[in-house]
Amino acid sequence: EIVLTQSPDFQSVTPKERVTITCRASQSIGTRLYWYQQKPDQSPKVLVKEGSQSLSGVPSRFSGSGSGTDFTLTIESLEAEDAATYYCHQRSSLPETFGQGTKLEIK
Amino acid sequence: EVQLVQTGGGLIQPGGSLRLSCAAFGFTVSNNYMNWVRQAPGKGLEWVSLIYSGGDTHYADSVKGRFTISRDNSKNTVYLQMDSLRAEDTALYYCSQTGAFNIWGQGTMVTVS
Repeated sequence: EIVLTQSPDFQSVTPKERVTITCRASQSIGTRLYWYQQKPDQSPKVLVKEGSQSLSGVPSRFSGSGSGTDFTLTIESLEAEDAATYYCHQRSSLPETFGQGTKLEIK
Repeated sequence: EVQLVQTGGGLIQPGGSLRLSCAAFGFTVSNNYMNWVRQAPGKGLEWVSLIYSGGDTHYADSVKGRFTISRDNSKNTVYLQMDSLRAEDTALYYCSQTGAFNIWGQGTMVTVS
């Protein structure tokens, strides 16, 4: 089973700050990595697919990068509405797995 | 509009069975890979099962032999049959389509107690 480790687990940030969340895989997964945003009492929402591909309707301040074992989700100029928990998810091999989550708090 | 609408779930005693449904609108489930993912209260996301467009199915070890994923093409619906339920299966269950449409259902709560 591929283990995904996110860092940090929690971050308190101010609006307009640039935020970086990392996801490290226990073995190479190519670019088969997705990023999700989950707000309280809501379903997860896909932000980035296949490592770096943006999705229609997702604000351009969200971007993904990386390949192999190291991936990054970047939020440029954080907004108050970005307070949420963020998860990475690998689809390279079964069982599919998720990172433990990174909770962003807005100061 | 592309969406997934879930039904089913509820309170069930240990050892019991439940069936969750996930109806798709705006796309065809038989042409796409469909997932079930769960989230225990206050916890992270856990992948449960998937069905490929070709019909192959896969399960997490924690549910293998107890849960069955299936689909009804005529109803454009995916199901998760959950048998021999345990307290540790208590969670919010989501269906999702990942890859093409990247959408999730609203979630349905299953409480085993």
